[in-house]
Amino acid sequence: DVKVTQSSRYLVKRTGEKVFLECVQDMDHENMFWYRQDPGLGLRLIYFSYDVKMKEKGDIPEGYSVSREKKERFSLILESASTNQTSMYLCASSPARAQYFGPGTRLLVL
Amino acid sequence: DQQVKQNSPSLSVQEGRISILNCDYTNSMFDYFLWYKKYPAEGPTFLISISSIKDKNEDGRFTVFLNKSAKHLSLHIVPSQPGDSAVYFCAASPNRDDKIIFGKGTRLHILP
Repeated sequence: DVKVTQSSRYLVKRTGEKVFLECVQDMDHENMFWYRQDPGLGLRLIYFSYDVKMKEKGDIPEGYSVSREKKERFSLILESASTNQTSMYLCASSPARAQYFGPGTRLLVL
Repeated sequence: DQQVKQNSPSLSVQEGRISILNCDYTNSMFDYFLWYKKYPAEGPTFLISISSIKDKNEDGRFTVFLNKSAKHLSLHIVPSQPGDSAVYFCAASPNRDDKIIFGKGTRLHILP
């Protein structure tokens, strides 16, 4: 069974804070992804990575950065959190096409 | 521009009946299609997929149909059960690419 875990289920931060969201997968998958999900907008890709130290911008990378120092771990960083980054953040990993998702982190930025 | 479209934001179906969720796509480079199910406060769960070389794939109560000429796919759930109430996302992947493009989702309500 594929296991993707995210460091927090719920997070409350203040505007301007630096925020780290961690994602870990235990299946040795090459590919990892960060999405955000907002009502009426579906899942939008923020960043993805095909390998260690590799990163590619998704559709909405502005205001975010990522880090992949180890194969199993993919971190999403909000350099200076803003209220429009309040959202559900979903991490996924995949060996190929089908992606396996973590439980999500619901982030509230005040 | 939306490449994967789910035009029905919600759908209500009686328990025991067939649920049909529809999805249209615009990019002819898509060659792999997936359906995900999502409960509130949880991550999406992969349900079923289909490659463009097939027109049907079945897994238990779930069947996905692909009509390449119409650029349309559908997910059939038979019989519908209360636990099927969730948001369903259609997704597509371009040829030789591991990225997935998601639709906006359809909320399915199974009525008792």
